[in-house]
Formats: sequence, C-alpha cells, structure tokens
Amino acid sequence: RKEVEQDPGPFNVPEGATVAFNCTYSNSASQSFFWYRQDCRKEPKLLMSVYSSGNEDGRFTAQLNRASQYISLLIRDSKLSDSATYLCVVNGAAGNKLTFGGGTRVLVKP
Amino acid sequence: NAGVTQTPKFQVLKTGQSMTLQCAQDMNHNSMYWYRQDPGMGLRLIYYSASEGTTDKGEVPNGYNVSRLNKREFSLRLESAAPSQTSVYFCASREPGQGYEQYFGPGTRLTVT
Repeated sequence: RKEVEQDPGPFNVPEGATVAFNCTYSNSASQSFFWYRQDCRKEPKLLMSVYSSGNEDGRFTAQLNRASQYISLLIRDSKLSDSATYLCVVNGAAGNKLTFGGGTRVLVKP
Repeated sequence: NAGVTQTPKFQVLKTGQSMTLQCAQDMNHNSMYWYRQDPGMGLRLIYYSASEGTTDKGEVPNGYNVSRLNKREFSLRLESAAPSQTSVYFCASREPGQGYEQYFGPGTRLTVT
C-alpha cells in the first residue's frame, strides 16, 4: 500500500462549481499535512498547510481527519486558473522528509 | 532573489553515459533535497542533505550519488545512466525551524536512450 494515495482524476469541473477530493495516508504517526499545487511541466508550490481544526484560504478549504487518516481539499467557485494537479503531502514522524501522493488532476472548463 | 535554480533544464543521454545535475539556492536554507517525478507518480525522494556536510539516502537512491558542495549547492550525479532514469528531477530546499514547506527548482527533464 502506498504511504499517500490520491485519486488521479481528472476531475472535470464547470467554471464556478465546487470540487472536493481526498487523500489517504497510511502512517498514523504522520504529523504535518500539506496541499501543493503543480501546473503542467512546472515545479510544485505550496498551496496550503492542513491543520487539525481545518483551515480556509479564500476559496480553498482543507480538512484533516486523523481517525480515518485522510485529508481533503475543497475548491469553491472554481476558476479556469485552478486547473492543475494537486499533490497531497505528508510529513512523517522522522521530521525531515515529505512523502508525496501521486496527485489529483483538476480541469476547470468554461 | 532567484530561489532554487537547476541546470540543465533538459538533457538527453545515451545509456552508460554520466552526468551531474546542479542545484543551488540563495535562501540560506540548511536542508536540500533531490526528487524524481515519473508520470502518474508522486515525487520520490532520491537523496537529501539535512545540513551542510551531511547526506542521506531517500526512497530511491540506487544509481545516484550526491554532493553537498557547500550550503548553497547540492549536486546529483548519475554515474552510468540507464533508461529507467528517464524522469523529471526536482531539487528543493527548506529551512528547518521555519515550517516544513519545501521550495522547488524548475526541474531538469532527463531522457536516457
């Protein structure tokens, strides 16, 4: 079983709609969680950290469910510019290393 | 402030050839990382350097060597390239104590024929 698993998609989303997707992780000792965004043929960039209480950044909301070992990302009022691959990233107990999921591709269409 | 830079951007090698991928960061970060990314897969850690003078293996170190030349530079060497090493290589850096965010370079697209 992969340490971090994501639905690869693509999620085809009409502009203005809401889309949500999850990521599961296998190591219950994982301490920190992130969503990175990667545009086609570009480097990953941090979108947001995921806190235990859940957090929101504009149109983006991230949630953590430790009991079921998953994190989620919700995008409201999708824009064409939200089209990208979203990488779920987990920092383990070792501290120094991040483990990346395979990514969920989102395509926002007019 | 360029962040993380990588050279070259593209490279084609024949099987058995060697090459070094260069990475430099100007953010005074202590930790640096090398990843590879293959289609449909997440980034996989090849090697990392927690601080100047130290290097450690990641998930997929076979066929690679690294050198932490100084605080700024971390190079990745392929001694005898194989087609299985065709991939996109990303270098990243991070400052421990300032959160876990890693900053990535633009990547090197390597093809081994």
